[in-house]
Amino acid sequence: DQQVKQNSPSLSVQEGRISILNCDYTNSMFDYFLWYKKYPAEGPTFLISISSIKDKNEDGRFTVFLNKSAKHLSLHIVPSQPGDSAVYFCAASRSNFGNEKLTFGTGTRLTIIP
Amino acid sequence: NAGVTQTPKFRVLKTGQSMTLLCAQDMNHEYMYWYRQDPGMGLRLIHYSVGEGTTAKGEVPDGYNVSRLKKQNFLLGLESAAPSQTSVYFCASSRPTTRPGVSTDTQYFGPGTRLTVL
Repeated sequence: DQQVKQNSPSLSVQEGRISILNCDYTNSMFDYFLWYKKYPAEGPTFLISISSIKDKNEDGRFTVFLNKSAKHLSLHIVPSQPGDSAVYFCAASRSNFGNEKLTFGTGTRLTIIP
Repeated sequence: NAGVTQTPKFRVLKTGQSMTLLCAQDMNHEYMYWYRQDPGMGLRLIHYSVGEGTTAKGEVPDGYNVSRLKKQNFLLGLESAAPSQTSVYFCASSRPTTRPGVSTDTQYFGPGTRLTVL
């Protein structure tokens, strides 16, 4: 049972345009969401996160939007740059003291076209 | 600081062989995790530890064992490797979160170990 879903395995975007990556979740107990970025032959690195008490979080070119009623979040990258080409993983967690496990989506490969 | 390191980077095993993957972190993190990444499956949690001497099962623990004898190290063992364990293995570490409204602190990942079981 895939509790966190990224339905687009890949996405291509022109340099300078907006990239929008989507993520859906099924477990209503999730209350914290993260995006990780992964380059080939490297481990994932943290990008941005959002708590369920917010509906938007912004960090430079990256903005994450959360729609709790739809159980949907999205990552916007504006403007897209060639260095943004990577696999992006959505992840979710739930408050549970001493147990901070993450549930990851399957990832979306973003390719920025120069 | 080296962050999270993993040894080895690559390994090929025959079915039935055993091996241990080593993860080390120098950030004094309490929590450590082992994940596997397979095509179309994302990252799945194998085992995790919330402190020295403690371990717990994750989503896909069968066929693996772990030990956390020292705070900085987290070992993942395969007692009898199977082709289904061919995967890329990632170790991660984190601090316990102390921020209101944040249920997990940032996990820092190692570079991965690519394991092939023939």
